[in-house]
Parts: sequence; structure tokens; C-alpha cells
Amino acid sequence: GEDVEQSLFLSVREGDSSVINCTYTDSSSTYLYWYKQEPGAGLQLLTYIFSNMDMKQDQRLTVLLNKKDKHLSLRIADTQTGDSAIYFCAESMAIVGYSTLTFGKGTMLLVSP
Amino acid sequence: KAGVTQTPRYLIKTRGQQVTLSCSPISGHRSVSWYQQTPGQGLQFLFEYFSETQRNKGNFPGRFSGRQFSNSRSEMNVSTLELGDSALYLCASSWREGDNEQFFGPGTRLTVL
Repeated sequence: GEDVEQSLFLSVREGDSSVINCTYTDSSSTYLYWYKQEPGAGLQLLTYIFSNMDMKQDQRLTVLLNKKDKHLSLRIADTQTGDSAIYFCAESMAIVGYSTLTFGKGTMLLVSP
Repeated sequence: KAGVTQTPRYLIKTRGQQVTLSCSPISGHRSVSWYQQTPGQGLQFLFEYFSETQRNKGNFPGRFSGRQFSNSRSEMNVSTLELGDSALYLCASSWREGDNEQFFGPGTRLTVL
């Protein structure tokens, strides 16, 4: 089956780097995603990585994928108080015609000034 | 370009009643997925529609149903509401089935009393 695990909480100081980790079990995953959810809001797609890639960088965000260990991480450089939110890791299965996302429980990131 | 819209944003119902939630995808998107978010279970997949056809269904009882119209708008219905159905219901749209980018709406907060 599929399962996505994340640590529940991370606290950093403004200006530091944040690293949020995720492990997944489905070896047939095609895409791995990071979503952000602010209080009272829906999910915002931050970035995603194709499973044959090792790294993807997008401005302050860096995604690292270790396919052997099924480990995904999201690094946020120069973390700001506005980055405080819940971050969800998700995977989609490699089945043509299906977009189903399997989510982790989310990591609450708290950025203090 | 307008994002995914969901109506209503908030809803209060009592046990035994039924409810219909609506989702309008981003213009041009033809695939719509629904997710339930609760503090205990996290984000769980309900169903996915493409071209008015249900393509995939999550592990929810038959009280949960949905449909998609020819303009890609989608509705989900929950009959005989239970207290445990209280949740944030999120809709996501993508250009086509199996698309790797899914965009979420703000959700409908359903409270069952």
C-alpha cells in the first residue's frame, strides 16, 4: 500500500533555513509534491518533482529526492514569518489516467522573529 | 485567471440531513478531484471526475456521491449526515486526468451538529 510520513512540527528562527522531511512507501510514485496550507485556506502547490529527478530548485525552495531511501525533503532558505504554515508532502501513483494524491499528515512550521 | 471556486464556504447542518457542495474548476480544466480534510484522518481522497465520468473513488461509504457537468463544474453530495462528516472539503482541478499539477480551492467547511 501507500503511506506518506512527515514529522509533525518544526520551529525555526526568521532568517534560518528550514528543512521539512517526508518518507513515502509507494515505489511506483511518479510525482512527489509539496503543498502549503495557511490557516483557514486551501492548499497551495509550492513545487513538485518527477521521480527520476534528484533535485529541483525554485527561488528559496529546494527539493531533494532520495529514491533509494524513498525520502523527500523541502528546504526553505531565509525563512520568513510569512512561511509559517502547514506543509504537506504528497505522492501520486504512476497509473495513467488517475491523479489521486496521497498526503502526509502535514508538518506545522512555526517561524519566530 | 480565476482560481478554483467552492461554494458555500461555510455550512452548518444537523445529523440526518443531506448537503450538496459545489466546485467550479479553473477555466479550461476538465478534471476535478474532491478531498476530505479532518484533524484526525488528515487529507483523504474522495473521488475524481473527468469529462463527466467518475474515474477513481476513495474508500468512503455510499452516502458520499458526486457528479460532474458538461462545463466541468462538479458537485458532491453527502446524505444522512453524521457528526464525523464535519470536515473541510477541498476540491482540486487540473487540465486533464493524470495531470501532475492540481490546484486547490479554498474549501467548504462543513459542521454537522
